[in-house]
Amino acid sequence: AQSVTQPDIHITVSEGASLELRCNYSYGATPYLFWYVQSPGQGLQLLLKYFSGDTLVQGIKGFEAEFKRSQSSFNLRKPSVHWSDAAEYFCAVGQEGNYQLIWGAGTKLIIKP
Amino acid sequence: NAGVTQTPKFQVLKTGQSMTLQCAQDMNHNSMYWYRQDPGMGLRLIYYSASEGTTDKGEVPNGYNVSRLNKREFSLRLESAAPSQTSVYFCASRQQGASDTQYFGPGTRLTVL
Repeated sequence: AQSVTQPDIHITVSEGASLELRCNYSYGATPYLFWYVQSPGQGLQLLLKYFSGDTLVQGIKGFEAEFKRSQSSFNLRKPSVHWSDAAEYFCAVGQEGNYQLIWGAGTKLIIKP
Repeated sequence: NAGVTQTPKFQVLKTGQSMTLQCAQDMNHNSMYWYRQDPGMGLRLIYYSASEGTTDKGEVPNGYNVSRLNKREFSLRLESAAPSQTSVYFCASRQQGASDTQYFGPGTRLTVL
């Protein structure tokens, strides 16, 4: 069955430290991969997406993610986090011809001052 | 350009009451979606509409109905609300293709007593 796993429910990082959020997927076909961010009380906003080409994708707010087909992963990274990055992050997977996305359960990012 | 709008923002219902959640998008998108978000469960798709005039069930359709009123509007109806339907509901829209971004509304927080 198709699935998306975000192994970390919560992650705590000091302000200025680097960040990596993990996303693993199980999908039969070539996937389209997305990372969304949800600030408290808000809707979801796209950070970045991969659908073809260069496997290292740059997004908004200084985030990047790397698609590794051999590991079925699409991990999100940021070299130096800011307090404003505190939010919940969701990974999602889609496929050509399919209107639905498969969503991970989310990772809540907590920033220590 | 308002993007995706949802009304109401908050609602409290008693068990057995009915209500309709409204969603509209001004981006001329073909596809629209209704999700519910519960703690630790990510986003679960209730219904979607691939294009005007079509609707399809998602992962958790029981207890809900939808209407794609026109290309802009996609409503979600709870005919007889139950406490298990207490959740945050998000509407989203997408142009068409699987690699296209889904744009989200701000959400409706529903409590069923």
